[in-house]
Amino acid sequence: AQSVTQLDSQVPVFEEAPVELRCNYSSSVSVYLFWYVQYPNQGLQLLLKYLSGSTLVKGINGFEAEFNKSQTSFHLRKPSVHISDTAEYFCAVRDEHSGGYQKVTFGTGTKLQVIP
Amino acid sequence: EAGVAQSPRYKIIEKRQSVAFWCNPISGHATLYWYQQILGQGPKLLIQFQNNGVVDDSQLPKDRFSAERLKGVDSTLKIQPAKLEDSAVYLCASSLSVGGLTDTQYFGPGTRLTVL
Repeated sequence: AQSVTQLDSQVPVFEEAPVELRCNYSSSVSVYLFWYVQYPNQGLQLLLKYLSGSTLVKGINGFEAEFNKSQTSFHLRKPSVHISDTAEYFCAVRDEHSGGYQKVTFGTGTKLQVIP
Repeated sequence: EAGVAQSPRYKIIEKRQSVAFWCNPISGHATLYWYQQILGQGPKLLIQFQNNGVVDDSQLPKDRFSAERLKGVDSTLKIQPAKLEDSAVYLCASSLSVGGLTDTQYFGPGTRLTVL
């Protein structure tokens, strides 16, 4: 069974500082990994995804993530955050269920608070 | 391109009452998902449709929750009777293909349900 662990429930960071949001996963098969962002009172928006190929994935709003198979991690990074990055971030893993369809599991989320 | 539409955006009911949520996915999207997001947690899949057939409803509390996707387009999720622990945001998402592991899920804004 697949699972996703987001180690930090909240991450405060000063504006223009770098940030890393951690995500570890477990799965018995090949996985596809995603990061979503959720702004207050809104649905989830895809930031980036790892499907195959280069382990460094670039997404929207200056975010990037690195897939590390040996450490089963997919940490999200941004070199310089802005106030507008204040939101909740969810890591998700998708693999193929035994029933032949895709199944997505989300982590519990990390609230990023950017301090002016 | 229009996004995933959901209504209502907010709903307050008393326990033991019934409630229904509506979702209209992006045009042409074959797969539709309903998630429950309890405060402080990640989204949990309740039910997944491919066209108008159910492929996964393993986490749907079937004694009180029901969902349908007539004609393979829009969908309705119903709770009857509601319990206090059903207070959550109900997210609808859709993706283009059937069983596509690399598919992107597009989320609606959600319906925030409060059960008093």
